[in-house]
Amino acid sequence: GDSVTQMEGPVTLSEEAFLTINCTYTATGYPSLFWYVQYPGEGLQLLLKATKADDKGSNKGFEATYRKETTSFHLEKGSVQVSDSAVYFCALLGGSNYKLTFGKGTLLTVNP
Amino acid sequence: NAGVTQTPKFRILKIGQSMTLQCTQDMNHNYMYWYRQDPGMGLKLIYYSVGAGITDKGEVPNGYNVSRSTTEDFPLRLELAAPSQTSVYFCASSPPRQGASWTEAFFGQGTRLTVV
Repeated sequence: GDSVTQMEGPVTLSEEAFLTINCTYTATGYPSLFWYVQYPGEGLQLLLKATKADDKGSNKGFEATYRKETTSFHLEKGSVQVSDSAVYFCALLGGSNYKLTFGKGTLLTVNP
Repeated sequence: NAGVTQTPKFRILKIGQSMTLQCTQDMNHNYMYWYRQDPGMGLKLIYYSVGAGITDKGEVPNGYNVSRSTTEDFPLRLELAAPSQTSVYFCASSPPRQGASWTEAFFGQGTRLTVV
């Protein structure tokens, strides 16, 4: 079945550091890929998405590119802020079925 | 814009009690999902549904039941609550595929359940 593997962390960075969170997937068909963010005590919010190969999703300074050849969707940000501290989830939808599949999440802590 | 609404937000149950977690969406989405998130952990899929009258088991269905009698509602039933079901429960919905692409799922704010 479909699966998503992401680096679990935790990841601790200083403010203005560069962020990469790796995400790879296994799926049949043509899934869409997503990054969701969960701030402490809150629900999940969509951060960005890509619906086909080579698409780049971007939002709030975060970017991720849908790489079909490496089955990857790595999240990057050039300069993190304290307010970016949260749990980040990589997810896919529409591989072998309509199940929304998540990675295990990566806790990011940004220190001032 | 209500989106996905979950009730209640918090609940404490005694072992052996039953309850229903409510989930309603007003976006006419076909697909709906229930997840649980244990403290410090990721999301585990309990049940999902492609539309009224159709449900499928996810990774951790034991101890739960669902029904989907309408497009809007997808309630999750706990029949005999156990401490292992202490968790935060999230409901989500997503629209059908748009051409060849799947768009994102929208999440409710969660129900925090404690079983004592």
